Amino acid sequence: QKEVEQNSGPLSVPEGAIASLNCTYSDRGSQSFFWYRQYSGKSPELIMSIYSNGDKEDGRFTAQLNKASQYVSLLIRDSQPSDSATYLCAVDGSGNTPLVFGKGTRLSVIA
Amino acid sequence: SQTIHQWPATLVQPVGSPLSLECTVEGTSNPNLYWYRQAAGRGLQLLFYSVGIGQISSEVPQNLSASRPQDRQFILSSKKLLLSDSGFYLCAYKGSPPDTQYFGPGTRLTVL
Repeated sequence: QKEVEQNSGPLSVPEGAIASLNCTYSDRGSQSFFWYRQYSGKSPELIMSIYSNGDKEDGRFTAQLNKASQYVSLLIRDSQPSDSATYLCAVDGSGNTPLVFGKGTRLSVIA
Repeated sequence: SQTIHQWPATLVQPVGSPLSLECTVEGTSNPNLYWYRQAAGRGLQLLFYSVGIGQISSEVPQNLSASRPQDRQFILSSKKLLLSDSGFYLCAYKGSPPDTQYFGPGTRLTVL
């Protein structure tokens, strides 16, 4: 059974700093990787998807994938208090099966 | 563009009462659909998923059931709610880019 592991946190960073969120996964055959952000009391929203090794940048967010190490990370530059949320890592299931989600890392950006 | 709706947004029900939560998706046909539950402060628990009308896969044996009577409609039901059924219920569909899941706004259920 596929597993996705994340440090539950909380991860506290000062405003303006870089927040680094990490995720490992168990299935070496996984092909698709996702980061979701979930504010308290709200549903998860997609931040980024990444499918190939290396970095993918979107504004202040950078996703990094290393398939050899089975490791995916999310960097948030110039962190803002509005980035305070739980960040969920997800990895593709096989065929029609759903994504496999980690339990999430809670990020707190201190003003 | 695709949108996903869930209702009701909040629900307070007594133990032993029935439940029906509805999810509909617009702007796509025959999507894969999913029901998740999130207990307070916990991760996402997959409950059911469906790849087409009448096709339901159950991930967790419990007193909940799901149905897909129409292409873009997914319903979560229970005949008798338990206290442990309280939580945040999320419906999702698979869209693009490949494998991406998009979540509805959720239903917050409190069983008293």
